[in-house]
Amino acid sequence: DAKTTQPTSMDCAEGRAANLPCNHSTISGNEYVYWYRQIHSQGPQYIIHGLKNNETNEMASLIITEDRKSSTLILPHATLRDTAVYYCIVRVENSGGYQKVTFGTGTKLQVIP
Amino acid sequence: DAGVIQSPRHEVTEMGQEVTLRCKPISGHDYLFWYRQTMMRGLELLIYFNNNVPIDDSGMPEDRFSAKMPNASFSTLKIQPSEPRDSAVYFCASSAGTGWGTQYFGPGTRLLVL
Repeated sequence: DAKTTQPTSMDCAEGRAANLPCNHSTISGNEYVYWYRQIHSQGPQYIIHGLKNNETNEMASLIITEDRKSSTLILPHATLRDTAVYYCIVRVENSGGYQKVTFGTGTKLQVIP
Repeated sequence: DAGVIQSPRHEVTEMGQEVTLRCKPISGHDYLFWYRQTMMRGLELLIYFNNNVPIDDSGMPEDRFSAKMPNASFSTLKIQPSEPRDSAVYFCASSAGTGWGTQYFGPGTRLLVL
């Protein structure tokens, strides 16, 4: 699996857009970019994923650069409930065999009132 | 749907005791995953099942750990004997057909081994 690099922490003012970057310079052509988040004391929650096109759902938008070496998760209007650790992971979709995955340390997003 | 259900939510035990963690995946999901989370190592995949069959257990830390999935609606993770370094939050997750991708996590079991 491609390794990802994320900032350790970020702050965002409530109501503003939160832009969380992720570098995955060794990503392979068939690897998807996934984003999960983990709110304190809860299990991780799936947010969004994409291959090369930008994606949007009710939670967030995912912008993947043309060379696919980096991506940005955008929370358009951050609320206090978005305070969480955000994980960026790259994975082959539907690959068989061994699939050991480590979520890494992620980015701790603090939304400030 | 009730989501992924795990029990117990908290477990405190003494070193050497057997610990059994339980998981009920979302109905219709054919993949089930067990993770462990610690401050030092983050969130690690221990083992995953597809259609009740263990696909890979290479993430299981050692022979003291074992996991079973006797049917599509139930899985267990057992630690015997338990050690203080096993203290962690253990998550179960399930997904439907898409393999690893979109997983739904349970609330976790917080294990403390004294």
